[in-house]
Amino acid sequence: EVQLVESGGGLVQPGGSLRLSCTVSGFTFSDHYMDWVRQAPGRGLEWVGRSRNNPATYTMEYAASVKGRFTISRDNSKNSLYLQMNSLKTEDTAVYYCARETKYNSYGDYDCWGQGTLVTVSS
Amino acid sequence: DIQMTQSPSSLSASVGDRVTITCRASQSISTYLNWYRQKPGKAPILLVYAASTLQSGVPSRFSGSGSETDFTLTISSLQPEDFGAYYCQQTYSAPRTFGPGTKVDI
Repeated sequence: EVQLVESGGGLVQPGGSLRLSCTVSGFTFSDHYMDWVRQAPGRGLEWVGRSRNNPATYTMEYAASVKGRFTISRDNSKNSLYLQMNSLKTEDTAVYYCARETKYNSYGDYDCWGQGTLVTVSS
Repeated sequence: DIQMTQSPSSLSASVGDRVTITCRASQSISTYLNWYRQKPGKAPILLVYAASTLQSGVPSRFSGSGSETDFTLTISSLQPEDFGAYYCQQTYSAPRTFGPGTKVDI
């Protein structure tokens, strides 16, 4: 069974840091590009960034709202995707989802999502 | 950046109704357009990719169409389990923007 499980969310003060993890199982992690998507309370979906499947070869991509503050990384040996979040702002409060891009076409659709982890930035 | 808009922002319909949701891109995205549905407290699920290809396991009452800048998602006969928020997303270029969503109430 394909599973994506996020962890690491919690309450953090403005200006603080947090590291989210997404651990996967049931498929070959290194075959897939992986993305982070977030959703602020009561709001829509916002793309955060993207990791191609070979971090040694390709650069990551980021939304303008997080570029320079957030860093995506992955460890294919541990079947894990990470989101290091620094200089957090109150507007970063959201549920953060990791999502798997399908490898079966070139349209980059997300055929599997994690359950999400809540990050609350508040003093 | 490519901006995505959706209409309507919300709708209320009855079981059996035909429902159409529209998504528009600020520039041509070919058919790099995907549709998701999200129920409260849950992760989104993929319904349609490449503008018109139904994801495996998605009921045939769902269909997608369009290209370039204008796209539609149609539910031919609305069912009780179809409530939720529907989002389009372009994957033509980064940032991979989502539309603001359409909330469907039954």
